[in-house]
Amino acid sequence: QVQLQESGPGLVKPSETLSLTCTVSGDSISGSSYYWGWIRQPPGKGLEWIVSMYYGGSTYHNPSHKSRVSISVDTSKNQVSLRLSSVTAADTAVYYCARWSGDDLLEFAVDVWGKGTTVTVSS
Amino acid sequence: DIQMTQSPSSVSASVGDRVTITCRASQGIGRWLAWYQLKPGKAPKLLIYAASTLQSGVPSRFSGSGSGTDFTLTITSLQPEDFAAYYCQQATFFPLTFGGGTKVEIK
Repeated sequence: QVQLQESGPGLVKPSETLSLTCTVSGDSISGSSYYWGWIRQPPGKGLEWIVSMYYGGSTYHNPSHKSRVSISVDTSKNQVSLRLSSVTAADTAVYYCARWSGDDLLEFAVDVWGKGTTVTVSS
Repeated sequence: DIQMTQSPSSVSASVGDRVTITCRASQGIGRWLAWYQLKPGKAPKLLIYAASTLQSGVPSRFSGSGSGTDFTLTITSLQPEDFAAYYCQQATFFPLTFGGGTKVEIK
């Protein structure tokens, strides 16, 4: 059974960089044929796709955040990480780690989600 | 961006009721639509993909239909564990976009 566990600081100051890690168990990021990425939900709002990557392949960003977002993989720890720079209060959200159900983002759905981690941007 | 409009934004229902949620895309997306269930503190759950295909392990009281711009999620005989928020998501165009959500509440 594949499980995703997000971790990171719950509080980040404005203008700083938010860094989150997703630890994957039950699957190998480098050995799988899936996309991995991040989705968030601001308080009282809907879900928003941020970024996704295929290990050794393509990365796709939501243009709304592209200039501030990076995604990376640590194969030794089987982790996928998100960095979001120059955060503001608008980046306050629950951040979810996600695995897409195929080797593409289009036409496929997120079949495995983490429970999410709450990040608050405040001084 | 493709705008996904869900309705209603909330619905009050009783155990055993039939609930229908609609999702409308701002332009045609074929059949590449998914439905998710969200509960506080729990990992979201994929219910339906490709508009009408039931994800493995999801009860058959959940069903999806539609293509192009109009889609529906139907829950027949609502169960206590179904009180949650539901979101649609299009997977045809970048950026991937979600509907605003529908909260199914206990009447």
